Amino acid sequence: KAGVTQTPRYLIKTRGQQVTLSCSPISGHRSVSWYQQTPGQGLQFLFEYFSETQRNKGNFPGRFSGRQFSNSRSEMNVSTLELGDSALYLCASSLGQDKGYTFGSGTRLTVV
Amino acid sequence: AQSVTQLGSHVSVSEGALVLLRCNYSSSVPPYLFWYVQYPNQGLQLLLKYTTGATLVKGINGFEAEFKKSETSFHLTKPSAHMSDAAEYFCAVSDRSNDYTLSFGAGTTVTVRA
Repeated sequence: KAGVTQTPRYLIKTRGQQVTLSCSPISGHRSVSWYQQTPGQGLQFLFEYFSETQRNKGNFPGRFSGRQFSNSRSEMNVSTLELGDSALYLCASSLGQDKGYTFGSGTRLTVV
Repeated sequence: AQSVTQLGSHVSVSEGALVLLRCNYSSSVPPYLFWYVQYPNQGLQLLLKYTTGATLVKGINGFEAEFKKSETSFHLTKPSAHMSDAAEYFCAVSDRSNDYTLSFGAGTTVTVRA
């Protein structure tokens, strides 16, 4: 059974650019969540999607957005990149809230 | 919103010794509780979870945790540390009052001495 797949694994972008990250959940999982992990702030919740609808959103600026497709695959986009956006972005999928989340290996974004 | 506190950002244990990682949470309602492990340059792997039922939960790799409602704690233990247990461990709480959003503790890095 394939796990959660995130692409790309590594990205280097310049300040002011935009970036799109992709996440393919485990087959059958309809809930997809995104987290940002940095040494200073730890793991912070970005947003959650369920059946193509954003169900919850964390406390991030509007530059961070996401979407989910009918096959449950999800993308997140960050516009007008800032140096502080450098982080490991983790995607997680779940069958239900009491089942726990399965995480992907993450996308390491570096903004220069 | 949930608050999750992991006591000790770094723990060092000898191989074969007990591993004890502490986690306390703040919640007005019983939450779902999780422990995750993260190896370098990897995502998070679920070790164990508590949702309902038995308060002593056994997970993978010999880890277990006990939910103590009166102490709002969910400490993680392993009787005998192995070198492969060196990693970062995160306690997480699912907030039932906020659509079950996961809130994470700051993490505890475990090193294992030979």
